[in-house]
Amino acid sequence: QKEVEQNSGPLSVPEGAIASLNCTYSDRGSQSFFWYRQYSGKSPELIMFIYSNGDKEDGRFTAQLNKASQYVSLLIRDSQPSDSATYLCAVLDSWGKLQFGAGTQVVVTP
Amino acid sequence: DAGITQSPRYKITETGRQVTLMCHQTWSHSYMFWYRQDLGHGLRLIYYSAAADITDKGEVPDGYVVSRSKTENFPLTLESATRSQTSVYFCASSEGDRESYEQYFGPGTRLTVT
Repeated sequence: QKEVEQNSGPLSVPEGAIASLNCTYSDRGSQSFFWYRQYSGKSPELIMFIYSNGDKEDGRFTAQLNKASQYVSLLIRDSQPSDSATYLCAVLDSWGKLQFGAGTQVVVTP
Repeated sequence: DAGITQSPRYKITETGRQVTLMCHQTWSHSYMFWYRQDLGHGLRLIYYSAAADITDKGEVPDGYVVSRSKTENFPLTLESATRSQTSVYFCASSEGDRESYEQYFGPGTRLTVT
C-alpha cells in the first residue's frame, strides 16, 4: 500500500466550475500536508499547506484536512484553463519524510 | 536571484557509464533533496542532506551516491547507469522548518540511459 494515494485522473472540469481533488494517507502520525502544482514538463511548485483539521482558504484554493479519516482535499473554485496541471499531494510523515502521491491530472475545458 | 539550478537539463548516456547530476542553490537552505519522477510513481526521494557533510538515504537510494561538501551544492552520481534509472531527476531545497516544509524545486534533469 502506498503511503499517499491520489486518483490519477484525468479530472475534466468545465471552466468556471469547482475542481475537487482527494488524497488519503496511511501514516496516522502525519502532521503537515501540502499541495503542489506541476505543469507539464515543469517542476512542482507549492500552492497550499495545511496542518490543522478543517479548511484553509487561499484565493481560489481551499485545502481541507480530516486527520481522523486520514484525508486531505483541494478545491479549486472558478477553474481556469491555466489550472490545467497535475496536482501532487504531499504528506510529512511521522519520520519527518515528505511522501508524495502520484498526482491527479486536472484538465479545465473552455 | 538564481534560486536553485540543475545541470545538465538533458542527458543521454549508455548503460554502465558514470553520470553526475549537479544541483546548486543560492538561498543557503540547510536541507537539500534528490527525487526521481516516473510515470505512475510520483516523486520518490533518493537521498537528502540536512547540512554540509550530512546525508541520508531516501526511499530509492540503490545505485546512487551523493556528497555535500558545500551547503550550496548537492551532486548526485549514478555510479554505473542502468536503463531503470531513466527518469526525470529533481533537486529541491528547504529551510527544513517542520511546520511549513516548503521545498523549492529545481527545473529538473531528464536522463535517458540507453
